[in-house]
Amino acid sequence: GEDVEQSLFLSVREGDSSVINCTYTDSSSTYLYWYKQEPGAGLQLLTYIFSNMDMKQDQRLTVLLNKKDKHLSLRIADTQTGDSAIYFCADNSGNTGKLIFGQGTTLQVKP
Amino acid sequence: EPEVTQTPSHQVTQMGQEVILRCVPISNHLYFYWYRQILGQKVEFLVSFYNNEISEKSEIFDDQFSVERPDGSNFTLKIRSTKLEDSAMYFCASTLKGGTGELFFGEGSRLTVL
Repeated sequence: GEDVEQSLFLSVREGDSSVINCTYTDSSSTYLYWYKQEPGAGLQLLTYIFSNMDMKQDQRLTVLLNKKDKHLSLRIADTQTGDSAIYFCADNSGNTGKLIFGQGTTLQVKP
Repeated sequence: EPEVTQTPSHQVTQMGQEVILRCVPISNHLYFYWYRQILGQKVEFLVSFYNNEISEKSEIFDDQFSVERPDGSNFTLKIRSTKLEDSAMYFCASTLKGGTGELFFGEGSRLTVL
């Protein structure tokens, strides 16, 4: 079946950029998503990218999509302590709204 | 800003009991979903619902599970006879367009089965 993989942990210093990576297997993906989950909270939609785009920028967030390599990344500029959370990559499998999630990357931001 | 709301936030139940988890999707949305996240594992798709019927369900969504939209605002997930392995965070989600664009999740309902 389709799969999404992420590295489990990333630690950065406050003010640095963070780059969270994700790979997926579904060649028919149309939308790819990034969600943020703070401790004890739900899944907050951060941003998403349509598969015909290479890049999408939204304030401090930059999403890069390499369709050939099936690689997605989320860059957070000027990372703040409030960005500490788990970040999930998700693939819209089969264009149905059924999302396939990665296992989540825990971002730790050190002051 | 419109949001998906879920109740209860946490429910503790005994094995074999029935549980109903409730969700109020965003009001103009048409597609509704349930996902679950067992502690330490990936978020998994359970079921999608559109036009008052199930559009797709996963292998997890067996006969013990059912969904219903009893009125114009609520969307419920029922587990008939809970098992220990049903302990998880259950997320409701909704979207205006089924396969495209923004999919919004609620805060989740944590189910603990003893």
